[in-house]
Amino acid sequence: DTGVSQDPRHKITKRGQNVTFRCDPISEHNRLYWYRQTLGQGPEFLTYFQNEAQLEKSRLLSDRFSAERPKGSFSTLEIQRTEQGDSAMYLCASSLFRAGPQETQYFGPGTRLLVL
Amino acid sequence: AQSVTQPDIHITVSEGASLELRCNYSYGATPYLFWYVQSPGQGLQLLLKYFSGDTLVQGIKGFEAEFKRSQSSFNLRKPSVHWSDAAEYFCAVGFNMEYGNKLVFGAGTILRVKS
Repeated sequence: DTGVSQDPRHKITKRGQNVTFRCDPISEHNRLYWYRQTLGQGPEFLTYFQNEAQLEKSRLLSDRFSAERPKGSFSTLEIQRTEQGDSAMYLCASSLFRAGPQETQYFGPGTRLLVL
Repeated sequence: AQSVTQPDIHITVSEGASLELRCNYSYGATPYLFWYVQSPGQGLQLLLKYFSGDTLVQGIKGFEAEFKRSQSSFNLRKPSVHWSDAAEYFCAVGFNMEYGNKLVFGAGTILRVKS
């Protein structure tokens, strides 16, 4: 069973550096979501893709953040000029969307980012 | 605006005792509701979901949840807790955006199991 995978699982970086995370969704899932989870909180929506199109972005996603999903398969989330406030767990989820609002998202193990 | 409230930050139960985790939501439309579980340092695993139909839904690991529209609640229950159930539990509502659906999560409830 190949679920959602994320790489790396942990990343420590210095303030001002750029980082990139990768997410591989469940095979044939057409939707891919990114969430951010800070300590003691539930995950918060950042952005999502349907196939290769980025259709929604949260206001949490500043211009230092960029996400791509080339060819509608894996996705990358890049943070430029990292700040200490970016320290969080970054979670990826995927779903198979056919029609209507009923949709189940399956999550990966997350990438924990620490910005020093 | 949509929101999810989990009133209990921490709950401690004895192994073998019953469990109920509370979840209340605020959402104007038909809610699609989920419970996820997260072990330390891990991602979220889906326990169960409610879309429509029978308001009592069964999930994995012996969990169940009941949707009560009149109370805007979706409480999670388990009749007998095992030590391996110790984790953090998140309730979420599926919110319909213009082009897709996002999940809005509560802040979570940390479950501790004492032997």
